Amino acid sequence: DTEVTQTPKHLVMGMTNKKSLKCEQHMGHRAMYWYKQKAKKPPELMFVYSYEKLSINESVPSRFSPECPNSSLLNLHLHALQPEDSALYLCASSQVDMGWVAGNTIYFGEGSWLTVV
Amino acid sequence: DAKTTQPTSMDCAEGRAANLPCNHSTISGNEYVYWYRQIHSQGPQYIIHGLKNNETNEMASLIITEDRKSSTLILPHATLRDTAVYYCIVSSGSARQLTFGSGTQLTVLP
Repeated sequence: DTEVTQTPKHLVMGMTNKKSLKCEQHMGHRAMYWYKQKAKKPPELMFVYSYEKLSINESVPSRFSPECPNSSLLNLHLHALQPEDSALYLCASSQVDMGWVAGNTIYFGEGSWLTVV
Repeated sequence: DAKTTQPTSMDCAEGRAANLPCNHSTISGNEYVYWYRQIHSQGPQYIIHGLKNNETNEMASLIITEDRKSSTLILPHATLRDTAVYYCIVSSGSARQLTFGSGTQLTVLP
């Protein structure tokens, strides 16, 4: 089973709202990722967690706040977003950090479609 | 990680083999070739990856040239559900992520 589950599938939020995206995997993977994908563009990395610790932040604005409460869960807290933040947010996981083992594979969830109004 | 070059789009007739090329002429010895696909409005789906040898699984075959400067993903009997953007990614893992390029839009025609 290579399943990464993301909720909600669709989210509409106002610019003053606080909301969260959730991601869960039960594959025993110890690295988890958030990617962002704008329309007709490839996915772009936002954050990497390795063993529940934030290891990469790709200069993401502070209105996006990631959290890894345990090895199976990854959250993305959203606050004071802008309309240009509307995108597909993808969660992914791999057995360990991509840099630790060659040939590691990343598995993606179906994504959460976010619309900021 | 080495850059990849893929055609922007390709068509394939349903039931025929789809052969998707990828050029990675600057690949280094420890870099793997990965293929993912993304069906409209869904997350990227892992297809296959390899280092030097050709690989096959239930979804596809990956053919890597002997000099490793290019590869081909083969879907043996394409169906309409194989219509998607296919991404070829080269990575050693040193960047600690997979970096997606523009990919190839494969359209399977009835």
